[in-house]
Amino acid sequence: EVQLVESGGGLVQPGGSLRLSCAASGSTFSSHWMHWVRQAPGKGLVWVSGLNTDGSYITYADSVMGRFTISRDNAKNTLYLQMNSLRAEDTAVYYCTRGRFNGMDVWGQGTTVTVSS
Amino acid sequence: QSALTQPASVSGSPGQSITISCTGTSSDVRNYNYVSWYQQHPGKAPKLIIFEVSNRPSGVSDRFSGSKSGNTASLTISGLQAEDEADYYCNSYTSSNTWVFGGGTTLTVL
Repeated sequence: EVQLVESGGGLVQPGGSLRLSCAASGSTFSSHWMHWVRQAPGKGLVWVSGLNTDGSYITYADSVMGRFTISRDNAKNTLYLQMNSLRAEDTAVYYCTRGRFNGMDVWGQGTTVTVSS
Repeated sequence: QSALTQPASVSGSPGQSITISCTGTSSDVRNYNYVSWYQQHPGKAPKLIIFEVSNRPSGVSDRFSGSKSGNTASLTISGLQAEDEADYYCNSYTSSNTWVFGGGTTLTVL
C-alpha cells in the first residue's frame, strides 16, 4: 500500500521561504500525477499545485503562482514544494496527494506551515 | 478559480438519507466528468469516497453514491450512521488545467 509522508513544515517569518518534501513508499510513484493541497486552520481544502509523471507539465493555483514551485524526483520517490515570499495567508496544513482517477486517491498526514513574525 | 459551492452544513438522523450538492460552472463541473468527493474526520487527512462523478474506490461503502446534472454534482449518503459525521468536500478538474474544491459541508448525524 502506498504511503505518503510530508516533512519540512515549521514557523517562518513573512517574506521567508520553506521547502516541503513528500516521501512516497512503493514503486508506482513515477506513474502518477502528484498534487499539493492545503487547509488553513478551521477552513476548507484548497488545491495548490500539481505536476505530471515526469514533471514536464506543471499547474498552479493563482494564489501561489510565481511564489511556489512544485517538483519531483522519481529516482528518490519524492515530491517537493518550494515556497518563497510567504504570507500570513499561506499558513495551513499542507497535504501531499497522489493523483488518480482525475482526483486524489492517497493522502499524506500533512505538515504544518505557520507564517508569522 | 472560484471555489465550488456547497451548503455549509447538512444533518440527518441515523438510517436516513442525505444529499450534499456541489455547484460549479461550465468551466468545471458541467463540462468534465472529473468530479470527486472526499470525507474528512476532525484532525485526519481527507479520504477519497467518489471519483469521476459516481465511482467508488475499493473499500468504500455502497451507501455513498454520486451523480451530476448540469453544473451541479451531488453526493448521497443512505442509511446514515454515526461514523458518517464528518466534513465532505467536492472537487473538479477545470478548463484552466487546475483543480478546485468546494468550500466543504459539515454533516451532523442527529
